[in-house]
Amino acid sequence: DTEVTQTPKHLVMGMTNKKSLKCEQHMGHRAMYWYKQKAKKPPELMFVYSYEKLSINESVPSRFSPECPNSSLLNLHLHALQPEDSALYLCASSHPGQGFHEQFFGPGTRLTVL
Amino acid sequence: AQSVTQLGSHVSVSEGALVLLRCNYSSSVPPYLFWYVQYPNQGLQLLLKYTSAATLVKGINGFEAEFKKSETSFHLTKPSAHMSDAAEYFCAVTPLSGGYQKVTFGTGTKLQVIP
Repeated sequence: DTEVTQTPKHLVMGMTNKKSLKCEQHMGHRAMYWYKQKAKKPPELMFVYSYEKLSINESVPSRFSPECPNSSLLNLHLHALQPEDSALYLCASSHPGQGFHEQFFGPGTRLTVL
Repeated sequence: AQSVTQLGSHVSVSEGALVLLRCNYSSSVPPYLFWYVQYPNQGLQLLLKYTSAATLVKGINGFEAEFKKSETSFHLTKPSAHMSDAAEYFCAVTPLSGGYQKVTFGTGTKLQVIP
């Protein structure tokens, strides 16, 4: 298995909803990442997990809550989002054997906040 | 701090023409460099990477890039554009040091291929 999967592909939620995004990889990668991408912009790093521990939080608002239950799975819990949080959310992973340099991206979840 | 600059937010080429997308990096030490492609509403796919081995790097879909330290450049080329090459292209850099990596992306170049 050489891919990163993300579910759901699309998500529409209201500002009072609670939802979760899921990311999974079975490549033995030990670093996993969440990115947010607005239209016509490059991805912006949100969080990095290394060996299941949160290593980087790029000052992301607390309405976004990451979780890494095991080395293959990464979740992003969403609560009380704002319309400006609408974006493509990308998950990525990388392998320590390659110095973690090359990141493999999932297809993303298109989030719309109403 | 490392950074990459992509010259030209939009590039248009005719089908069959040469594709040249420009990327310059800023780093005191040559870093690892990458080109990613993103098709509409999809994730990023790695086209090729430079990791201090060969300076001419060949990637997927007929793309290649040459690392030029003297010019701090890592331009992406393809001899003959195909309609399926229309996409957004991102140049990216990570530092040489190990550990989980914070990737720095360029602002992207949208490639349009004209029939």
